[in-house]
Amino acid sequence: DIVMTQSPLSLPVTLGQPASISCRSSQSLVHGDGTTYLSWFQQRPGQSPRRLIYKVSNGDSGVPERFSGSGSGTDFTLKISRVEPEDVGVYYCMQGTQWPWTFGQGTRVEIK
Amino acid sequence: EVQLVESGGGLVQPGESLRLSCAASGFTFSTDWIHWVRQAPGKGLVWVSLINTDGRITFYADSVKGRLTVSRDNAKNTVYLQMNSLRAEDTALYYCARGERGSLLHWGQGALVTVSS
Repeated sequence: DIVMTQSPLSLPVTLGQPASISCRSSQSLVHGDGTTYLSWFQQRPGQSPRRLIYKVSNGDSGVPERFSGSGSGTDFTLKISRVEPEDVGVYYCMQGTQWPWTFGQGTRVEIK
Repeated sequence: EVQLVESGGGLVQPGESLRLSCAASGFTFSTDWIHWVRQAPGKGLVWVSLINTDGRITFYADSVKGRLTVSRDNAKNTVYLQMNSLRAEDTALYYCARGERGSLLHWGQGALVTVSS
């Protein structure tokens, strides 16, 4: 199975400041079709996960532009340009390139 | 509006069975793969199972293989997860999710399964 490793696991941030979460995979996430199936999900307290980013850098409809994804191969990043109060929660990366699909451990974003 | 609504969760003893349902609306159900993902209390997300559009293709995580069976009824826009021989470690919130190639597009609110004596 592909192991997804996120860092940091806890991220205290100041409102209005940027935040960055790293996600590394144990194998390349480039699929045989040439696509990299790496997604990011946000889980606010008490809520279901919500997808923010798919295929590394594509933002979902309704996701604020302050969220962006980047990376390639085995190294990926989710960035929040300016953290707002509603961004508090746990963020997960997930690979959908190889079965079984696997998630990172999650990164808890909290306000300082 | 896309909706996925899980039901059927509850408290069972080890070794017992439970069937979860996932009722979908707001999209063309019969053309989408459906996944199950679980989350143990205070823990992270773990992919569990998937079923393809006509139900002929299913996949399971090794931890549940042979004990969980996924099926679907496209006439009822519903996916089922039959859970047998339940163990304490199966205790979790079970989400169904609408899949797309390589990702999970929409999630339900989850159904809580508690396995305890």
